Amino acid sequence: QVQLVQSGAEVKKPGASVKVSCKASGYTFTSYYMHWVRQAPGQGLEWMGIINPSGGSTSYAQKFQGRVTMTRDTSTSTVFMELSSLRSEDTAVYYCARAQTGTAPDYWGQGTLVTVSS
Amino acid sequence: NFMLTQPHSVSESPGKTVTISCTRSSGSIASNYVQWYQQRPGSAPTTVIYEDNQRPSGVPDRFSGSIDRSSNSASLTISGLKTEDEADYYCQSYDSSNHWVFGGGTKLTVL
Repeated sequence: QVQLVQSGAEVKKPGASVKVSCKASGYTFTSYYMHWVRQAPGQGLEWMGIINPSGGSTSYAQKFQGRVTMTRDTSTSTVFMELSSLRSEDTAVYYCARAQTGTAPDYWGQGTLVTVSS
Repeated sequence: NFMLTQPHSVSESPGKTVTISCTRSSGSIASNYVQWYQQRPGSAPTTVIYEDNQRPSGVPDRFSGSIDRSSNSASLTISGLKTEDEADYYCQSYDSSNHWVFGGGTKLTVL
């Protein structure tokens, strides 16, 4: 069955970087795009960007341009989201979500809590 | 870019019908598909409506979606409300770059 398993919770200091992983299984990794969405405590959903695991191409929300990098490792069927220059407002649960081109996601990861605190 | 505006909260009694709106600030609501997600506390979102009015397999037919060009809005309607429907609901569409745009979310209380 399809599974997206994300890495565990992280605590980071302001100014640091965090790298969250999302390991896919149960389907052909390169056949589906992967989106990243975050949710600050008590807040709504915020789209961060998308990666095509087939060629590695990416597209990021303007808000995160220059601070976010999405990569993939096809040998382990894993996508990564790295966010740099962390600030307290980046404290959130980060989700990966699988979708085909221009369609709604059908599977989500369980979420990874990133806490930014001095 | 445009915004999607949802009511902060709605409430209704079990067995009744509730409708949650999602109004697009600029550009036509019909120009890009709208999705609806359900999110229960502590859980990841799940899709309940995609492409304006399509239900994924496993989603009960009590859930339906529509768009209204005259009000430039999309709606999620849940009939025969159950206590298990209590959750946050988010609408989502696409901008000109195919990036996702989310509404602010609506908390549904079934009381």
